[in-house]
Amino acid sequence: GENVEQHPSTLSVQEGDSAVIKCTYSDSASNYFPWYKQELGKRPQLIIDIRSNVGEKKDQRIAVTLNKTAKHFSLHITETQPEDSAVYFCAAVNTGFQKLVFGTGTRLLVSP
Amino acid sequence: DTGVSQNPRHKITKRGQNVTFRCDPISEHNRLYWYRQTLGQGPEFLTYFQNEAQLEKSRLLSDRFSAERPKGSFSTLEIQRTEQGDSAMYLCASSLGSSGSGETQYFGPGTRLLVL
Repeated sequence: GENVEQHPSTLSVQEGDSAVIKCTYSDSASNYFPWYKQELGKRPQLIIDIRSNVGEKKDQRIAVTLNKTAKHFSLHITETQPEDSAVYFCAAVNTGFQKLVFGTGTRLLVSP
Repeated sequence: DTGVSQNPRHKITKRGQNVTFRCDPISEHNRLYWYRQTLGQGPEFLTYFQNEAQLEKSRLLSDRFSAERPKGSFSTLEIQRTEQGDSAMYLCASSLGSSGSGETQYFGPGTRLLVL
């Protein structure tokens, strides 16, 4: 089955810096890759997603890149703000099976 | 609030007791998922429904666990003879499914279970 690895487990940056979180997946049939943000005690919320037919997607300060050959995808946050502090999870899904397989999470801390 | 809702939000029970959780998905969503999340980990898939049909179950879902979605709307997850290892956050998600599209799953706030 699918296995998703995520790095780093923690990431501390200064406000205004960029943050990059990387994930690798094992199942070459996976074709949908969402990213979720989870604040303490709250539900995971989708922040951006990418499908396997594109290599990059951007939404304001957030971007995701996908390298299907290498089976890895990354989340880029520019001009970080303290409210970006949260745990970020990547996930992969083979839409033939529907279930999300999550990475282990990255705790991002943005210091003012 | 038209998002996914879950009840109760918190449940404390003694080992050996049965518990039942409810999930109400977004109204037009035909797919409903259950995940379990332990502290410091990502959510792990338990099972999912398309309408009323349960289409996949994880090996994590032992025979003490049962899920239903009788009318293709809300779903219940029951855990019988709870064990301390069942303590976790149980998350429900829903999506509007069409084949092969990779649709967005929207999560509920979760039910936090503590087994004493």
